[in-house]
Amino acid sequence: EAGVVQSPRYKIIEKKQPVAFWCNPISGHNTLYWYLQNLGQGPELLIRYENEEAVDDSQLPKDRFSAERLKGVDSTLKIQPAELGDSAVYLCASSLTQSAGGVNTGELFFGEGSRLTVL
Amino acid sequence: AQSVTQLGSHVSVSEGALVLLRCNYSSSVPPYLFWYVQYPNQGLQLLLKYTTGATLVKGINGFEAEFKKSETSFHLTKPSAHMSDAAEYFCAVSLLYGNKLVFGAGTILRVKS
Repeated sequence: EAGVVQSPRYKIIEKKQPVAFWCNPISGHNTLYWYLQNLGQGPELLIRYENEEAVDDSQLPKDRFSAERLKGVDSTLKIQPAELGDSAVYLCASSLTQSAGGVNTGELFFGEGSRLTVL
Repeated sequence: AQSVTQLGSHVSVSEGALVLLRCNYSSSVPPYLFWYVQYPNQGLQLLLKYTTGATLVKGINGFEAEFKKSETSFHLTKPSAHMSDAAEYFCAVSLLYGNKLVFGAGTILRVKS
């Protein structure tokens, strides 16, 4: 079974330029997450989707960040314009959230991440 | 709200020695607890998890962790360290019926030959 696929793995851009990251979750996983991982820190949730709906985007800086998950499968995270402080690893993860009454273990499966360097 | 504290940003052990990585959590409801490992330039991989039932959980690569509710701890151990265990380890907590993981800051494990 294929894991979570992210691209690009590495991206170097000048500040004020736009950048986009793509994520393909594990087949059948209805929940998708974007996490931000700064150097030396644990991942922090940016946004969580259940199917097409963003159910938690409270940590997403909406002035410059946007995300979409059309058709409830692949997702794209965009930054426009990028700032020096956005240099980090952007991790995508997916999980299968059962409907009410089902067992929900909360296990997430992560991609390898997209490392962004803003110069 | 949940939070996780990992004591020690760096831990160094000799090959063959006991590995102990500490994790304390706070949660208003019974939590799910996880340990993830991250090798350089790779994503996070699940080592083990506690959901319900037995408080001593075994994971991959010989690791295990014990959920101690009275101490709000979920420390990770391995009896004998191997060079391949060198990586960064993250403890995480989530609500019982939720999917939002909150991670600790991570502990980098170094294994000396």
